[in-house]
Amino acid sequence: EDKVVQSPLSLVVHEGDTVTLNCSYEVTNFRSLLWYKQEKKAPTFLFMLTSSGIEKKSGRLSSILDKKELFSILNITATQTGDSAIYLCAVGGNKLVFGAGTILRVKS
Amino acid sequence: NAGVTQTPKFRVLKTGQSMTLLCAQDMNHEYMYWYRQDPGMGLRLIHYSVGEGTTAKGEVPDGYNVSRLKKQNFLLGLESAAPSQTSVYFCASSYTPGDGYTFGSGTRLTVV
Repeated sequence: EDKVVQSPLSLVVHEGDTVTLNCSYEVTNFRSLLWYKQEKKAPTFLFMLTSSGIEKKSGRLSSILDKKELFSILNITATQTGDSAIYLCAVGGNKLVFGAGTILRVKS
Repeated sequence: NAGVTQTPKFRVLKTGQSMTLLCAQDMNHEYMYWYRQDPGMGLRLIHYSVGEGTTAKGEVPDGYNVSRLKKQNFLLGLESAAPSQTSVYFCASSYTPGDGYTFGSGTRLTVV
């Protein structure tokens, strides 16, 4: 059975801190790993990773995939209150399987 | 460009009532999905479709039915609603199964 596990389940940090969110997976027929940010409504797409060791960056967010160890991390540097959200990891085989998410709260 | 549109946005049902959630996409995507989201459990796949006229079961299909009569529409039906179906329902679509999905804004369903 396909499985995606995210950690931690939740964390609280102060503005300016750096956070690392983890995602490990067991999926047959791996195609891609995706990160989403979910605030009040629908998840919004952050990154799609298909190759090991290639970092993807967007502003203060970055992510990398390790296909040998079957995990990915999402880094957020210099966190801001607007980064408060649920961060979802999903792995695409024949369909996307989502982890339970990490709830991030950034305090001012 | 509307993307993925879900209707209704909110609904309250009594136990045993039926209803249909509508999902429409205007991106010519082949793949469409219905997920439910419950606290602490992430998004769980209910049913999905790989093209017009096809449907398949996901992780939690019991109590739900779906139809994809037209490529742009994917309907989710609850024949006899139960309180355990209280959840937020998201529809999504994609070109291929490994692509980033485009999500609708969600339907918050409460069954009392």
